[in-house]
Amino acid sequence: KAGVTQTPRYLIKTRGQQVTLSCSPISGHRSVSWYQQTPGQGLQFLFEYFSETQRNKGNFPGRFSGRQFSNSRSEMNVSTLELGDSALYLCASSLEQDREAFFGQGTRLTVV
Amino acid sequence: QQQVKQSPQSLIVQKGGISIINCAYENTAFDYFPWYQQFPGKGPALLIAIRPDVSEKKEGRFTISFNKSAKQFSLHIMDSQPGDSATYFCAALVTGGGNKLTFGTGTQLKVEL
Repeated sequence: KAGVTQTPRYLIKTRGQQVTLSCSPISGHRSVSWYQQTPGQGLQFLFEYFSETQRNKGNFPGRFSGRQFSNSRSEMNVSTLELGDSALYLCASSLEQDREAFFGQGTRLTVV
Repeated sequence: QQQVKQSPQSLIVQKGGISIINCAYENTAFDYFPWYQQFPGKGPALLIAIRPDVSEKKEGRFTISFNKSAKQFSLHIMDSQPGDSATYFCAALVTGGGNKLTFGTGTQLKVEL
């Protein structure tokens, strides 16, 4: 059974640009959550999608957005990139609400 | 506001020893507590999880102890091995509130030969 797949694995962007990250959950999983991991702030929740609806949102500015498609695949978008957005962005999928979350390997975003 | 506090930040244990990582939470609505293991360059992997209706859960060399009244829980790794060297995160979730995990700050474990 394939795990959570995140693409791309690495990304370098310039300040002011925007970026889209992709996440394919485990087959059959309907919940997809996104987290930002940095050395200073640790793992922080961005948002969660379930059946194409945003169910939860963390304390991040509106530059961070996401969506989920009918096949449960999810994308997150960051607009007007800032240096502080450099981080490992992790996607986690769950079968449904309140079930174990399985993480992908992440996308390493570097903003220069 | 840090809702889940984790200690220690780093830990060095001799091979065969017991590694102990502690977490404390503030939000009494939390009712699911997983532990994750993360190796460099990898995403966190679910290790073991507990719900507050039990005080202890064991899976192989990994044990979670849970103290509901103290709002604390801990991970014990018995017979620690060099392959256990990784960063460990405790987390908490409110069931019914969606899959929104609140993580501790992480503990970097090194198991020496």
